[in-house]
Amino acid sequence: KAGVTQTPRYLIKTRGQQVTLSCSPISGHRSVSWYQQTPGQGLQFLFEYFSETQRNKGNFPGRFSGRQFSNSRSEMNVSTLELGDSALYLCASSPYLTDTQYFGPGTRLTVL
Amino acid sequence: GENVEQHPSTLSVQEGDSAVIKCTYSDSASNYFPWYKQELGKRPQLIIDIRSNVGEKKDQRIAVTLNKTAKHFSLHITETQPEDSAVYFCAASARSQGNLIFGKGTKLSVKP
Repeated sequence: KAGVTQTPRYLIKTRGQQVTLSCSPISGHRSVSWYQQTPGQGLQFLFEYFSETQRNKGNFPGRFSGRQFSNSRSEMNVSTLELGDSALYLCASSPYLTDTQYFGPGTRLTVL
Repeated sequence: GENVEQHPSTLSVQEGDSAVIKCTYSDSASNYFPWYKQELGKRPQLIIDIRSNVGEKKDQRIAVTLNKTAKHFSLHITETQPEDSAVYFCAASARSQGNLIFGKGTKLSVKP
């Protein structure tokens, strides 16, 4: 099976702009989670979607949002970008009702 | 909420030696403990995982042990090779939470 894919791989934005990142899970996987990775904070959980419903949310401001479509593809949106939002954004997919998560290659977001 | 602590933050070993990385978790409801390896510029890759009903699991040169009473789990790599050099992350999850809480990572360097 093809792995988790994310687009775009790299993105440069300026403060105040908004951005949308996309994630396509492994075929058959219905759960998608998003994580932010930074050198200082490590890997931090953003949110998880299952069957188009947000099941869990991490401790991030409301500027971070997401959604999942009927084909399990997911998007996350960050509005009013701040310098501190520069990070690698990773999504991970899981098969139905299991814990095992498989990561995509990430989107490297740079906010100038 | 869950908190995962990982030690050491850096580890340098000679090729052929063993490497041990230790993690502790705080939430007794956690029941799934994966380990990920992340090479520079690449996605985290699952290398081994263990569930709370098992005390030890091995896969060739890699083993993970779990002590539920002490809330400790450890990664053991034997006969290390230069290609084992990477950052290793431990994580914990309770299925009811649906997300992974990661340790800060251990940078392992294997010197030839």
